Amino acid sequence: GNSVTQMEGPVTLSEEAFLTINCTYTATGYPSLFWYVQYPGEGLQLLLKATKADDKGSNKGFEATYRKETTSFHLEKGSVQVSDSAVYFCALISGNQGGKLIFGQGTELSVKP
Amino acid sequence: KAGVTQTPRYLIKTRGQQVTLSCSPISGHRSVSWYQQTPGQGLQFLFEYFSETQRNKGNFPGRFSGRQFSNSRSEMNVSTLELGDSALYLCASSRDYEQYFGPGTRLTVT
Repeated sequence: GNSVTQMEGPVTLSEEAFLTINCTYTATGYPSLFWYVQYPGEGLQLLLKATKADDKGSNKGFEATYRKETTSFHLEKGSVQVSDSAVYFCALISGNQGGKLIFGQGTELSVKP
Repeated sequence: KAGVTQTPRYLIKTRGQQVTLSCSPISGHRSVSWYQQTPGQGLQFLFEYFSETQRNKGNFPGRFSGRQFSNSRSEMNVSTLELGDSALYLCASSRDYEQYFGPGTRLTVT
């Protein structure tokens, strides 16, 4: 079946450091890929998305590229801020199950001043 | 545009009771999906409703059920509550493939 695997956290970085959170997936066909972010006590916010191979999603300085050859969708940011501290989830939707997001286990990011 | 709203935000119930959670989607969104979030199992899909019909279902027992009304508002019900049902229940609405989440209902079963 379809699945998403993320690097384990927590990840602790200093402010202005470079961030990479790895995400790989297993899916039939051509899924759409997403990154969501969850701040403490809140629901999930859509951070960025990509719907086909080689698409690059970007938002608020975060980027991720849909790599079909490596089945990956790694999240990157060039310079993190304390306000980026949150839990990040990689997710996919398979074409024939439109309303069913499949999530990775989440990666907690802590950014220290 | 108002976001997804969920009520109540917090609930405390006793084992064996039942509970109903409500979700109001973003205006114009016809699909509502429900998820359970726990520290041990992460985010798991419960079911999805589209135009008042269940379109997808996850691997949860029959104690978990839902419905959707003609105005796209959705409810989920859990009967005969167990301690393991304690979780954050999230609903999300979508018009196409992008899902937008509400703040969740925190259910505690004692």
